[in-house]
Amino acid sequence: QKEVEQNSGPLSVPEGAIASLNCTYSDRGSQSFFWYRQYSGKSPELIMSIYSNGDKEDGRFTAQLNKASQYVSLLIRDSQPSDSATYLCAVLSGGYNKLIFGAGTRLAVHP
Amino acid sequence: ETGVTQTPRHLVMGMTNKKSLKCEQHLGHNAMYWYKQSAKKPLELMFVYSLEERVENNSVPSRFSPECPNSSHLFLHLHTLQPEDSALYLCASSQGRGRVRNEQFFGPGTRLTVL
Repeated sequence: QKEVEQNSGPLSVPEGAIASLNCTYSDRGSQSFFWYRQYSGKSPELIMSIYSNGDKEDGRFTAQLNKASQYVSLLIRDSQPSDSATYLCAVLSGGYNKLIFGAGTRLAVHP
Repeated sequence: ETGVTQTPRHLVMGMTNKKSLKCEQHLGHNAMYWYKQSAKKPLELMFVYSLEERVENNSVPSRFSPECPNSSHLFLHLHTLQPEDSALYLCASSQGRGRVRNEQFFGPGTRLTVL
């Protein structure tokens, strides 16, 4: 079983719609969860972090965490073509800050 | 310079060459990381340094040799690499181990091609 699982996509949404990206993880002891955005040929950029159950909003982004279900998601409201990228879910695991990444979901926002 | 910087940005080397990748962080962090990103594969953690001590070596072949002379600088020395080592090598830094809210910030990466 993969430690962090994401649907590889591509997830195609029209401009202005809500994009919903999902992630499940296997380590029940994990306490810290992150979403990174990676444009083609670039390095990952941290866009959201979440540590408690519930929702966390930052601008057009909302991260949702459900530790009981081992599930974390990212909602992007009013999607723009510039949001087209691969979104990486990452879970902090272990005592030495080991960040486990999912394979990423490719998002395509079309005009 | 701000954030995390890496040099060189691109590197082409033969299998018998020796080269080094350099990473520098300007964030005042205590932990630094090397990751490998190959096509179609998730990011793989290679090494973790916390306060200049190597605390994680993720079963990386000995042809990759890390060095952390201080908390701001990290090197990855490469020798006798294989073509399958061609990948994007990413450096990251964070506040340090033992912190729950330990956000990692990445440098721009070095695109390595082994011929």
